Amino acid sequence: SQQGEEDPQALSIQEGENATMNCSYKTSINNLQWYRQNSGRGLVHLILIRSNEREKHSGRLRVTLDTSKKSSSLLITASRAADTASYFCATDLPTQGGSEKLVFGKGTKLTVNP
Amino acid sequence: IAGITQAPTSQILAAGRRMTLRCTQDMRHNAMYWYRQDLGLGLRLIHYSNTAGTTGKGEVPDGYSVSRANTDDFPLTLASAVPSQTSVYFCATSPQWGQEFGSPLHFGNGTRLTVT
Repeated sequence: SQQGEEDPQALSIQEGENATMNCSYKTSINNLQWYRQNSGRGLVHLILIRSNEREKHSGRLRVTLDTSKKSSSLLITASRAADTASYFCATDLPTQGGSEKLVFGKGTKLTVNP
Repeated sequence: IAGITQAPTSQILAAGRRMTLRCTQDMRHNAMYWYRQDLGLGLRLIHYSNTAGTTGKGEVPDGYSVSRANTDDFPLTLASAVPSQTSVYFCATSPQWGQEFGSPLHFGNGTRLTVT
């Protein structure tokens, strides 16, 4: 079963607006990552946040993590048409032997209209 | 250019045929992964390898096999393809194994496979 679930499934905004995507997960984690996928391409890593961190920034990206609610959000400020893509959260899946795998959610499809 | 090469980029395959999807990396990353991506289901892990000589099963390993004879290559084999294996297959790598410390994945551009 999926560890992470993004919300909303699809989001359409105008250029210049902010875009917020949410991710909820089920079990405790060590870290959470966000990825971007342009149509027909592989995923590209955007940002990683560890379980002891609450917020991280990278350029126009801001990620928050609330481990008590088992949720994370990705905010893209001042969006551009080039931000149009699908965005995925991914979490590690701790087991007794360690955390070997990264499990992805189903993604949010973001469309930024010029 | 450093990165991950997947081949073929697309393939139409008759059910029952054997097929090997190739993945080669030149970044000397330890860990390699195979994911399949299906509409509405996101990415699901098929098999992974922490280092050359070792492999492990992911969420959906049935019908697939892998090998990791060296650091650079991680082929995925469908022994007898079925229509439910129609999907886009992504190979990925990370510098180190063990996701508890957060090792970002690097992805190839995928193989689009259709089984008829």
